[in-house]
Amino acid sequence: AQKITQTQPGMFVQEKEAVTLDCTYDTSDPSYGLFWYKQPSSGEMIFLIYQGSYDQQNATEGRYSLNFQKARKSANLVISASQLGDSAMYFCAMREVLSNDYKLSFGAGTTVTVRA
Amino acid sequence: EAQVTQNPRYLITVTGKKLTVTCSQNMNHEYMSWYRQDPGLGLRQIYYSMNVEVTDKGDVPEGYKVSRKEKRNFPLILESPSPNQTSLYFCASSFEGKINSPLHFGNGTRLTVT
Repeated sequence: AQKITQTQPGMFVQEKEAVTLDCTYDTSDPSYGLFWYKQPSSGEMIFLIYQGSYDQQNATEGRYSLNFQKARKSANLVISASQLGDSAMYFCAMREVLSNDYKLSFGAGTTVTVRA
Repeated sequence: EAQVTQNPRYLITVTGKKLTVTCSQNMNHEYMSWYRQDPGLGLRQIYYSMNVEVTDKGDVPEGYKVSRKEKRNFPLILESPSPNQTSLYFCASSFEGKINSPLHFGNGTRLTVT
């Protein structure tokens, strides 16, 4: 079964506007971590933000915030005040404590294009 | 500078010709892993290592080998590459046993097998 689902293959957003990228996850592990990564066209994977399953508050890092709704198993990324440099592919990922391999399970990604 | 270094960045080879992609990290991370990225599939784990001399298969290990003789190095070996191994490969590392420790990725190796 798919552990991470990103339903938006691609999105367009106007510069300076906010954009929300959807991510839902599937786990029976009570302890897990959720991550978002950015992959620009140059190819590298850049860590953006982390949310722990026991964290009471939504994570924020500069213009990035994570809308964590535990009961709905969703961890949407919000990018505020979009910039042209935000054009990239974005991946949601999860790490589970009970997983012996400590791997990150990734979604298929969402491509964001910021328009001037 | 803390980083994961993998080489080469680009590699074109022919079917059956053995190749090695190197990976090195300078953060003293116990955990290292290899992923491949294919369109529409996200990233999938090939192999991982919890520490020196400890390696195990990930989700898509067929056709790959790894070794972990030193903590900092984790090479990926393709003994007999085939066209279906054409992909973008990433090496990554993190502290072991901490779910809040993000994976730090290398810059990727784009492999083409003809």
